[in-house]
Amino acid sequence: GQSLEQPSEVTAVEGAIVQINCTYQTSGFYGLSWYQQHDGGAPTFLSYNALDGLEETGRFSSFLSRSDSYGYLLLQELQMKDSASYFCAVLDRDDKIIFGKGTRLHILP
Amino acid sequence: DAGVTQSPTHLIKTRGQHVTLRCSPISGHKSVSWYQQVLGQGPQFIFQYYEKEERGRGNFPDRFSARQFPNYSSELNVNALLLGDSALYLCASSLAGGGNTGELFFGEGSRLTVL
Repeated sequence: GQSLEQPSEVTAVEGAIVQINCTYQTSGFYGLSWYQQHDGGAPTFLSYNALDGLEETGRFSSFLSRSDSYGYLLLQELQMKDSASYFCAVLDRDDKIIFGKGTRLHILP
Repeated sequence: DAGVTQSPTHLIKTRGQHVTLRCSPISGHKSVSWYQQVLGQGPQFIFQYYEKEERGRGNFPDRFSARQFPNYSSELNVNALLLGDSALYLCASSLAGGGNTGELFFGEGSRLTVL
């Protein structure tokens, strides 16, 4: 079976940095993705890690440790528009993408 | 270029009825996946189709079925609707399964309410 664990909610202040963690257990693993979803909208792709290490894309960075079955999404210089739900998702050996339950990010002014 | 398009955007059904949801992938994308998203939860994998063949199926009852057409568009069918089937149904396309980039392109979804 497959399971992904991430915090249900995180709160941070505008301009600050926040890290959203994700641990996973899968029968096969190719990589870890992150998606953002605003209320009423569709999930949109943020990043993908297939190898260990940090990937940076603008204000967002994503990290993967395959040996620890662990990854995180780092959001810097938080803006109010970053208030959304964030999902980690595993690309498994059957080429399916399985999502976690999501982390609701609240940003305070 | 058009993104992933889904229809209808909203629909209301009663218990026991059936529903057909439609999805057109991004031009050039050969894989379509269907997800069910209940409010406050992550998308739950239902089906994946690639080149008109089923590549994967999630933990959903046989009331759920899907198919992919030669033009790579797809339909999701749900029979004998239950109240618990009320959800946002998301279609996502990619070049090939999750590809090697783990990236899916989602449509805006079909919001199904079962009364």
